[in-house]
Amino acid sequence: DIQMTQSPSSLSASVGDRVTITCRASQNINTFLNWYQQRPGRAPKLLVYGASSLRGGVPSRFSGGGSGTDFTLTISSLQPEDFATYSCQQSFGTPYTFGQGTKLEIK
Amino acid sequence: QVNLVESGGGLVKPGASLRLSCAASGFTSSDYHMSWIRQAPGKGLEWVSYIESSGDTIFYADSVKGRFTISRDNTKNSLYLQMNSLRAEDTAVYYCARGRSWNALDFWGQGTLVTVSS
Repeated sequence: DIQMTQSPSSLSASVGDRVTITCRASQNINTFLNWYQQRPGRAPKLLVYGASSLRGGVPSRFSGGGSGTDFTLTISSLQPEDFATYSCQQSFGTPYTFGQGTKLEIK
Repeated sequence: QVNLVESGGGLVKPGASLRLSCAASGFTSSDYHMSWIRQAPGKGLEWVSYIESSGDTIFYADSVKGRFTISRDNTKNSLYLQMNSLRAEDTAVYYCARGRSWNALDFWGQGTLVTVSS
């Protein structure tokens, strides 16, 4: 199975900050990497697919990058509604494993 | 608009069975592959199972293989997860989700809670 490792596991930041979350795959997954946002008590929402394609309706302050084994999700200027948990998922091969999640908290 | 609604969760004893359903609306379900994903309390997301649009191709996580069965009825725009021999570690919120390009999951239901406890 492909293991997905996110870092950091948690992150404290302030409104307006630029933050980057990293996801590393245990093997080459090309660009089959997706990012999800999950607020407490809610279902996850797709933000980025194919490593760098922003889903329609997602604010442009979100961006994804990387290929192969190393990927990033960057939020250019944090807004209050961005404080949530972010998870990466590889969709290169089953099982379509998720990272453990990164909890983004208000400093 | 696209809407997914799960049902069928509940409290069951270890070894019991449960069947989850996911009703889809706002799109033609036969055009999309679907997945089940679960989230144990306070834990991360775990992909459980996948079924291709026609139902011909199916995959399972090792943790549920042989115990869970995914199926779909495109005439009813519905997805199912038959869960047998349930264990305490199957306790989670179960989400159904629609798959799109890159096998990304673009729409999720609100989830249904399954609790396995004696």
